[in-house]
Amino acid sequence: GESVGLHLPTLSVQEGDNSIINCAYSNSASDYFIWYKQESGKGPQFIIDIRSNMDKRQGQRVTVLLNKTVKHLSLQIAATQPGDSAVYFCAESGAAGNKLTFGGGTRVLVKP
Amino acid sequence: GAGVSQSPRYKVAKRGQDVALRCDPISGHVSLFWYQQALGQGPEFLTYFQNEAQLDKSGLPSDRFFAERPEGSVSTLKIQRTQQEDSAVYLCASSLRGRNEQFFGPGTRLTVL
Repeated sequence: GESVGLHLPTLSVQEGDNSIINCAYSNSASDYFIWYKQESGKGPQFIIDIRSNMDKRQGQRVTVLLNKTVKHLSLQIAATQPGDSAVYFCAESGAAGNKLTFGGGTRVLVKP
Repeated sequence: GAGVSQSPRYKVAKRGQDVALRCDPISGHVSLFWYQQALGQGPEFLTYFQNEAQLDKSGLPSDRFFAERPEGSVSTLKIQRTQQEDSAVYLCASSLRGRNEQFFGPGTRLTVL
C-alpha cells in the first residue's frame, strides 16, 4: 500500500550545526505530514506538522519543508543540541486527527 | 500534567498465552489509537477509538487481536494465543478530536517466548 519512507537511516551532526532529515512519501492524497521524535524507551513525541496546502512551516528551532511536486518532506533542526539525539519519523495522515502512517525513521547522533 | 500511561511496561508471555495491555489516555482526549512498533521500525496503526466507539480496526493483524474502550476512557488491547511474531512494542496515543498532535505513552514491550 501507500507508504512514507526516509532516505537516510543515520545522520551524524556536530553540536551547533544544522540538521536536515529527509523523507519521501508516495500517497498523493495525504493532507497532513507530521514529524515525530522518539528517544530510547519512550513513545514518539510530536514536533511539527504541515498541511498539504503549505510548503513551509516554522517552529522553535525547527522548519518543515514540503515539496508536493516530488513528494518530498524535510525537517531542519537549527543549532542541533545533544538533546536532539533521537530517531525521527515522518508520518502522513489523510485528514487532521486521523491515523498516522509512519516511515522507517532516521537516527540522529549529535557529536559534542 | 499527567500524560498517557501504559501498563505493564514489559510483558513476557509464553507462546499460546493471552495478554492484556492497558492504556490510560490524557483526560478529555476523545481519540485513542493503538500502534505496534517492531524493533527498528516505525509504529504501525492497529486501531482507533473515538470515545467508546471503535471506528477503525483495519490494522489489527488477526482475529487474535481485540481492543476495547467501554467507557470512552481507559482502553485495553488483548492478544489471544500469543505468537512469537507478536513480539513488539505496543504504543497507545490519545489526542483531541481533529488534532494531528497525538500524545504517545511509553509503550508496552511484549516478548513472546
